Amino acid sequence: EPEVTQTPSHQVTQMGQEVILRCVPISNHLYFYWYRQILGQKVEFLVSFYNNEISEKSEIFDDQFSVERPDGSNFTLKIRSTKLEDSAMYFCASRTGLGQAGELFFGEGSRLTVL
Amino acid sequence: GENVEQHPSTLSVQEGDSAVIKCTYSDSASNYFPWYKQELGKGPQLIIDIRSNVGEKKDQRIAVTLNKTAKHFSLHITETQPEDSAVYFCAACPNTGFQKLVFGTGTRLLVSP
Repeated sequence: EPEVTQTPSHQVTQMGQEVILRCVPISNHLYFYWYRQILGQKVEFLVSFYNNEISEKSEIFDDQFSVERPDGSNFTLKIRSTKLEDSAMYFCASRTGLGQAGELFFGEGSRLTVL
Repeated sequence: GENVEQHPSTLSVQEGDSAVIKCTYSDSASNYFPWYKQELGKGPQLIIDIRSNVGEKKDQRIAVTLNKTAKHFSLHITETQPEDSAVYFCAACPNTGFQKLVFGTGTRLLVSP
């Protein structure tokens, strides 16, 4: 069964360092997303990406965040200068289909710990 | 923007009992309502979804009901089993075309044998 894969599963970094989280969405999917989940809290939308550009982003997704699809298969989330409050589980998701909403497939997440 | 409330935050049942989780949403333009199950250390997995043109949907032991007028929707799990134990999230999707899901706060379901 096709799946969304994410690396690394866990990353520990120092405050102020740059972090790149990587995702390989399901191959025929067209829409890509990053969500995050602070420990014990709900899953929050960060950004959606379609046709090689950001289609929507939340207030959380400030100038420290960026996304990229560099090679047609990987989808990355970069945090330029990490803060303590960036510590969370980051989930990549993807879906296919145009127009009508449909199943969003989530990866298993990358846990980011900022010290 | 959309806001989704979910209750209860925890739910303990005996194996074989039914479990009901309720959510309310605020944006009448939302038209897609999925339910996700999240097991420990894993990503959310879709278990059932419903669109705003349908009032009820069932898949084996799982059913979802939607009341558009009252802006609430519910997940019903019958004949619960220990492997149903997980955190369940409801979500609502405003009709923007890009499917930005707004999640509820989650319900931790514990099914005791």
